[in-house]
Amino acid sequence: SQQGEEDPQALSIQEGENATMNCSYKTSINNLQWYRQNSGRGLVHLILIRSNEREKHSGRLRVTLDTSKKSSSLLITASRAADTASYFCATDGRSAGGTSYGKLTFGQGTILTVHP
Amino acid sequence: DTEVTQTPKHLVMGMTNKKSLKCEQHMGHRAMYWYKQKAKKPPELMFVYSYEKLSINESVPSRFSPECPNSSLLNLHLHALQPEDSALYLCASSQSLLQGKQETQYFGPGTRLLVL
Repeated sequence: SQQGEEDPQALSIQEGENATMNCSYKTSINNLQWYRQNSGRGLVHLILIRSNEREKHSGRLRVTLDTSKKSSSLLITASRAADTASYFCATDGRSAGGTSYGKLTFGQGTILTVHP
Repeated sequence: DTEVTQTPKHLVMGMTNKKSLKCEQHMGHRAMYWYKQKAKKPPELMFVYSYEKLSINESVPSRFSPECPNSSLLNLHLHALQPEDSALYLCASSQSLLQGKQETQYFGPGTRLLVL
């Protein structure tokens, strides 16, 4: 089963609007990452937020992390048609001893469509 | 150079064929990964190599055989595949499994495999 669950599954907005995607996970983590995937292509890393961080910014992206709720959100401001893609969160699970399982587990993804 | 390359881009094979997928990176990364991705699903981890040694095998059938000839190359040998193995196969690399912690992964564009 997938560690991360994202909502919404699909989001359709107009250019210039903001897009917010949410991700929930189940186990303790070292970090949480967001990736973008254009149709049928490889994934592009967007941002990594560590478990001791609450918020991070990168250009038009803002990521928040709430470890008490085991959830994260990705905000894309002033969206563009070129932002149309699938967005995945991915968690690096952490064992009770604090070490990594050594792998990323991806959420189901949100399909974002930005209309010109 | 922050690129991961994969060849071929597309592959059609019969169930009795033997083929190989290739992945290459020149970023000095010491962790490399194979993922399988079905349409409209997230990537699923298959194998992880750390310092050219197989560190994770996610119970992948033996008809998939990974190989890491050196720190820059990763192969996936395919034999006697089934039609349900048709998918996008993604390779990724990361700097290392630093102290067991997962870091940013860089993905190749993938090989789209069709098994007839």
